[in-house]
Amino acid sequence: QKEVEQDPGPLSVPEGAIVSLNCTYSNSAFQYFMWYRQYSRKGPELLMYTYSSGNKEDGRFTAQVDKSSKYISLFIRDSQPSDSATYLCAMKRTMSGANNLFFGTGTRLTVIP
Amino acid sequence: DGGITQSPKYLFRKEGQNVTLSCEQNLNHDAMYWYRQDPGQGLRLIYYSQIVNDFQKGDIAEGYSVSREKKESFPLTVTSAQKNPTAFYLCASSPTGLAGGPDTQYFGPGTRLTVL
Repeated sequence: QKEVEQDPGPLSVPEGAIVSLNCTYSNSAFQYFMWYRQYSRKGPELLMYTYSSGNKEDGRFTAQVDKSSKYISLFIRDSQPSDSATYLCAMKRTMSGANNLFFGTGTRLTVIP
Repeated sequence: DGGITQSPKYLFRKEGQNVTLSCEQNLNHDAMYWYRQDPGQGLRLIYYSQIVNDFQKGDIAEGYSVSREKKESFPLTVTSAQKNPTAFYLCASSPTGLAGGPDTQYFGPGTRLTVL
């Protein structure tokens, strides 16, 4: 079993829809959770960063962590064609340490105008 | 502008050749990383360095080598021993390699390597 599972999609939605992207994980020691957005043939860029359980909002984006279910989500409100990209979840156990960042495989999202 | 640069953007290699991918950062970050990205497999860690003159193997280090002689630079050499080197290579850096902190990783634009 992979440490982090993410549905690869692809996911297509009409412009203005609410998008829900999800990851599950198996290791209860994960404490820090990140979402990256990656446009085609580009490097990932950090979108959201949360610690432990709860919600964090930034504009149209909301990151949600449910540690009891080992489940994290990224919601995109009023989705735009410019949101079309691959979204990667990532997580880590401790604050420091370079070799313990675990990535999902990414979900490819297309927002149709 | 602060950021991470990778060069070249596209690289073609003949079988049996070694090639070196460049990664430079001016963010004053201590830690730097190399990942490989293949379709359907996500990002896999090749090597990382938490401080100058020190580096550690990641999950898939075989066939690769690195050096960290300067804080700003972390070049990756793909050797002829790497059996399937065609992939998208991503370099990243984070503020604190050894000390505590969020240690969020920031990525460069990537190098696409193709073996002919």
